[in-house]
Amino acid sequence: NAGVTQTPKFQVLKTGQSMTLQCAQDMNHNSMYWYRQDPGMGLRLIYYSASEGTTDKGEVPNGYNVSRLNKREFSLRLESAAPSQTSVYFCASSEAITGDYGYTFGSGTRLTVV
Amino acid sequence: QKEVEQNSGPLSVPEGAIASLNCTYSDRVSQSFFWYRQYSGKSPELIMSIYSNGDKEDGRFTAQLNKASQYVSLLIRDSQPSDSATYLCASNGGGGNKLTFGTGTQLKVEL
Repeated sequence: NAGVTQTPKFQVLKTGQSMTLQCAQDMNHNSMYWYRQDPGMGLRLIYYSASEGTTDKGEVPNGYNVSRLNKREFSLRLESAAPSQTSVYFCASSEAITGDYGYTFGSGTRLTVV
Repeated sequence: QKEVEQNSGPLSVPEGAIASLNCTYSDRVSQSFFWYRQYSGKSPELIMSIYSNGDKEDGRFTAQLNKASQYVSLLIRDSQPSDSATYLCASNGGGGNKLTFGTGTQLKVEL
């Protein structure tokens, strides 16, 4: 099925461990995004990539790094996980750099850091 | 001040009634507005987009935009229990190439 695929769906990490969240889209979209969603806080932008080869910080980038591997793939890395990074992570993609057409979201990764 | 504001709810409406969801935004440069539906434990799903002042209808859904008042709303006619979800409002203000989301309004449609 066409869309945005995220892996893994669930993950439990110990404090200090690292991991990479994977995201791939097959809609030939230019822009890709990583958000985290926490109760009462809504969706907050971590990093985004307006086009292949570029990445920029969003609202809450501390503790994260990203890589736009190619037009299809955009990964999010936690170098040293902290309990404050317990959240649901969503990857999204958009046809237009301006976001005019809205986003398509992946199914999410539920991450718990203990 | 958050750029996109929504009442968290819950908003409870009886089955068959009209549900009215509201959203205000602070950035006057915002041009595009979106409504997403998110079921519990699922990802957001785009249901409506609106770019011009006025109303836009799609089936049971009507989005309304008033740029002078910086106000966006979503009306759901003939509400069904399956409409029970959290509705997220988003705009592309504050930078143009990324969306800012409100915290969402929980809608409960009661039998």
